[in-house]
Amino acid sequence: QKEVEQNSGPLSVPEGAIASLNCTYSDRVSQSFFWYRQYSGKSPELIMSIYSNGDKEDGRFTAQLNKASQYVSLLIRDSQPSDSATYLCAVKSQGGSEKLVFGKGTKLTVNP
Amino acid sequence: DAEITQSPRHKITETGRQVTLACHQTWNHNNMFWYRQDLGHGLRLIHYSYGVQDTNKGEVSDGYSVSRSNTEDLPLTLESAASSQTSVYFCASSDGGRGNIQYFGAGTRLSVL
Repeated sequence: QKEVEQNSGPLSVPEGAIASLNCTYSDRVSQSFFWYRQYSGKSPELIMSIYSNGDKEDGRFTAQLNKASQYVSLLIRDSQPSDSATYLCAVKSQGGSEKLVFGKGTKLTVNP
Repeated sequence: DAEITQSPRHKITETGRQVTLACHQTWNHNNMFWYRQDLGHGLRLIHYSYGVQDTNKGEVSDGYSVSRSNTEDLPLTLESAASSQTSVYFCASSDGGRGNIQYFGAGTRLSVL
């Protein structure tokens, strides 16, 4: 059973701080990694994807991948109250499967 | 703009009734997925399809069925609704490959009474 684990949270940070969200996965051959944001009552929306070891930056968001440690993280710099949401980590395995395995999500609250 | 739409957005039904949730995408994606989301469980895959006439079971497929007669639609049918199927249902589609970004519909909130 392929698993994706996230800190259950909730995570609370003050406005302007860095929020750090973590995810580990069990399938060593996983090749694609995604971070989705889900506001309460809404559907998941993609905010970052990462495929290679290292960091990938997009505005205030940085995804970090370490395949040797089977670890992927999302950093949100200068956190804003509008970043308050649940963040879902998703992993795609190598091979023909197009399925994603999702973690249960981490709820982030950014306090003004 | 391409999109993925789900209908209805809210549904209340009684136990034992057959219910069909619609999913329609205009991305022209081959891959389509149905998930349910419950507190404490996250997103769980119900069924998925890689193309017309192709359907596959996910991790929580019991009591559900899908059919794929064209590229755009993947309806989800609850054969005999049970209270345990009260949930929020999301449809998603992707174009596959390494990118494999899944785009989600707005969801259907189903209550089985």
